[in-house]
Amino acid sequence: AQKVTQAQTEISVVEKEDVTLDCVYETRDTTYYLFWYKQPPSGELVFLIRRNSFDEQNEISGRYSWNFQKSTSSFNFTITASQVVDSAVYFCAPSNDYKLSFGAGTTVTVRA
Amino acid sequence: DTGVSQDPRHKITKRGQNVTFRCDPISEHNRLYWYRQTLGQGPEFLTYFQNEAQLEKSRLLSDRFSAERPKGSFSTLEIQRTEQGDSAMYLCASSLGISRNEQFFGPGTRLTVL
Repeated sequence: AQKVTQAQTEISVVEKEDVTLDCVYETRDTTYYLFWYKQPPSGELVFLIRRNSFDEQNEISGRYSWNFQKSTSSFNFTITASQVVDSAVYFCAPSNDYKLSFGAGTTVTVRA
Repeated sequence: DTGVSQDPRHKITKRGQNVTFRCDPISEHNRLYWYRQTLGQGPEFLTYFQNEAQLEKSRLLSDRFSAERPKGSFSTLEIQRTEQGDSAMYLCASSLGISRNEQFFGPGTRLTVL
């Protein structure tokens, strides 16, 4: 069975602080992709960053970065120098080729 | 705008009525997906098409639900004899057809069943 867990329900930070979101994906698959999506109050899901399971090198894309720990199946996603516009629900979503399996999401509130 | 579009954006209907939603994917994308999202939850997969072929359906998709993608372009999702439990946001997404490619989502159709 596959299971994706976003243990943090809500995170509140002050603008310019870094925010780290946790995602644990338990699966027997050795090869998969994991995606992060953002859902702002307007409701439309926006793709942020993609990560595969076989490359442990950390990645950075603008203010977003990944940290993958294979031993714990943990994908940590960091927003550096948060801004008020980063306030949204963030979803971790592994893919099994065609289907995204979304976690419950973490609500991030960035206060000015 | 060359993104995924959905119509209508909002639909209010009475229990027992039929409703149909439309999704227009990004034009060069051969895969099209439907998801359902209820309040406070992440989206849940319903079904997907590769070109015009419907390749997978979730157990969430009861017999009252049917989806089509004629000619591999736009798709429709029909719910017959709606129930209050069908109230949700119905999301459509499209992608180029390999697993590493991200899915692009439309704005969704919010269904309210009274």
